[in-house]
Amino acid sequence: DTAVSQTPKYLVTQMGNDKSIKCEQNLGHDTMYWYKQDSKKFLKIMFSYNNKELIINETVPNRFSPKSPDKAHLNLHINSLELGDSAVYFCASSQAFRRGPLKNIQYFGAGTRLSVL
Amino acid sequence: KQEVTQIPAALSVPEGENLVLNCSFTDSAIYNLQWFRQDPGKGLTSLLLIQSSQREQTSGRLNASLDKSSGRSTLYIAASQPGDSATYLCVVDMYQGAQKLVFGQGTRLTINP
Repeated sequence: DTAVSQTPKYLVTQMGNDKSIKCEQNLGHDTMYWYKQDSKKFLKIMFSYNNKELIINETVPNRFSPKSPDKAHLNLHINSLELGDSAVYFCASSQAFRRGPLKNIQYFGAGTRLSVL
Repeated sequence: KQEVTQIPAALSVPEGENLVLNCSFTDSAIYNLQWFRQDPGKGLTSLLLIQSSQREQTSGRLNASLDKSSGRSTLYIAASQPGDSATYLCVVDMYQGAQKLVFGQGTRLTINP
C-alpha cells in the first residue's frame, strides 16, 4: 500500500523523444514535489504544487512541464529529451507547504531512473 | 545560495560501532534540518527533523544535533547494525514562502557483519 508511487521505475528512451512520468499519493496531502538527482547524487527541487497550483519553479527548462489533474497526482512531462536529462527523478508529497513542524515532513516515491540515449 | 556539505562521503565500519556523520551548511537562516535515509530503489525516508529553535532530536539509536549559529549538524548512530547500511542525507529547509529543501550529497554508510 505505497504512499507515494511513481511510474515507470525505469525509462530508457532516445534523444528528442517526449516522455511522461506519473506520480500519485494516497496520503491526502495538499502539496506535491518533483526532484532531480543528478549523477553527482545531489537532489534538487524542480517544482512544487499545492492543490493543483504551482508554488515553486526552480528555473527548470520549459521542456519540463508538470501537470496536476488533481491534488493526488503530479505528472512530469518532458519534451525533446536531451542527454543531460538522464537522472533519477523523485516525486514527494507533504501535508502542506507552509510553516508547521509535522506538515513539513515530505514523503518520497521510489524514484524513476531516466536514461536518454 | 545555501550549500550543504556532508563528511565523509563514504564510511565502512564493523557492526556494533558507534558512529558520527557530519553535515555543514553555509546559510544559518534555516527553518529546520532533517536527516533522511536513502535506500537503493526505495526512495527517501525522513529519520529526524530538528526545528531551528531546537538543539537535538532522538529516535531510538539515532541522535541528531543542530548548531545553527556555526552551521553544523551531526547524526549519531549507536550500536550500528547491517540494516543501517544506506545513504544518509542532510537536508535543510530554507522556507522562502514555501517549504524549500536543500540537500547534501550524502554519506554512504556500510555496516559490515
